[in-house]
Formats: sequence, structure tokens, C-alpha cells
Amino acid sequence: GQQLNQSPQSMFIQEGEDVSMNCTSSSIFNTWLWYKQDPGEGPVLLIALYKAGELTSNGRLTAQFGITRKDSFLNISASIPSDVGIYFCAGQLGTSSASKIIFGSGTRLSIRP
Amino acid sequence: EAGVTQFPSHSVIEKGQTVTLRCDPISGHDNLYWYRRVMGKEIKFLLHFVKESKQDESGMPNNRFLAERTGGTYSTLKVQPAELEDSGVYFCASSPGSSYTYNEQFFGPGTRLTVL
Repeated sequence: GQQLNQSPQSMFIQEGEDVSMNCTSSSIFNTWLWYKQDPGEGPVLLIALYKAGELTSNGRLTAQFGITRKDSFLNISASIPSDVGIYFCAGQLGTSSASKIIFGSGTRLSIRP
Repeated sequence: EAGVTQFPSHSVIEKGQTVTLRCDPISGHDNLYWYRRVMGKEIKFLLHFVKESKQDESGMPNNRFLAERTGGTYSTLKVQPAELEDSGVYFCASSPGSSYTYNEQFFGPGTRLTVL
């Protein structure tokens, strides 16, 4: 089945540092999504990307939909304590935005005290 | 507006027992999805309802899992009999109908199932 390879698995950073994580796939996706999960909560959508090459920002977050439609990255600038959590890349294969979501294995972001 | 709610938040059962998870989607959402995350791995799709009909159940692992959405409102996911490998966090999500430009899926907090 389709699989998303997400890296890194975990990151320990200093507050104020920039963060970068990425996802690759052997399949072509129509939509790329980035989610964040806080402890005890479900995933929350951060950014949705619809077109190959698209670069989208949401505050300190920036994500790009790779030109081949098989990869995406997420950057977080000037990290703050509330950025801690698990970040998931995800994709949708179908043309309908109601189709199932395929998730990566997640990147756990921690901030060094 | 209330978000997606799930009950219970935690469930600990013994192998061979039956467990039923419940999901209440956001009011008016036609689409309802079940996902699960096992052992810190990726979140995997289980199935998708459109109103009361099963649109896609390709992710259901086996016939020990039964999902229903009577009346197109809340949904239940029953595991009978439960096995050790069923342990994980079960997420429910809902999204509006097809008339929307983008159907963002809103996730509930999940039910953590532990099978001993």
C-alpha cells in the first residue's frame, strides 16, 4: 500500500531555533497535509497544499508541495515552547477532498530546557 | 460549536473481550472516518461513512471489527473478540459534505484501547 516516509523521527531543539521536517512517497498525491498532535488530543490541520510546487505559510509555519507531487517539507521558524508535539505529514490520493488520508509516522518535536 | 467527541477516552480490556467505541461527529457533517494509531506508528485509515453508508472500508483489518452509523449521526466501532494487536489509539474524524470546496477532516481526541 501507499507509504509516507517522514523524517526525522524526533528532534530536540533550543527555543528560538528553526525546524525542518520532510516527507517522501513513492506515490503521487493530489493533496499534501501537515497536522500537529498535542498530548491527549487528536491531530489538527496546520497547512493544506493542493498544487505541485505550491508554497504556503501559516504564521511561523511554511510548507511546500514538491514539484513531483511525491514530497513535501514543513519549516517552523523561531520555535517556541507551544510548538512541542507530534507533527504528521499526510496525503490524499483521490481527487475528492473527502477521500481517506494517508499519514506518515510522525516527527516528535521537543524543546531542550 | 462542539468538536468531534469520542467515548470512552480510555479502555482496558482482556484479550477475547468485546469493546465498543463511540464517535459523535460535528453536527451536520456527512462524512465520518475511523483511524487508528498502533504502537507509535503512523495513523492508519480504517473506514469512511457518508451519512449512514460505508463509502470505503478498505482499511478494516479483519472481520472482528464492525462499524455502524445508524441514522447518519453518531458511529460505533466494535471489536469482538479483541486481540493484543488491537491495542492503540482509535481516532474518529468528520468533515462536511461534498458541496464544500475542501473537506477538512476534524479529529476527535481519540480512544486509547489497551488489550491485556
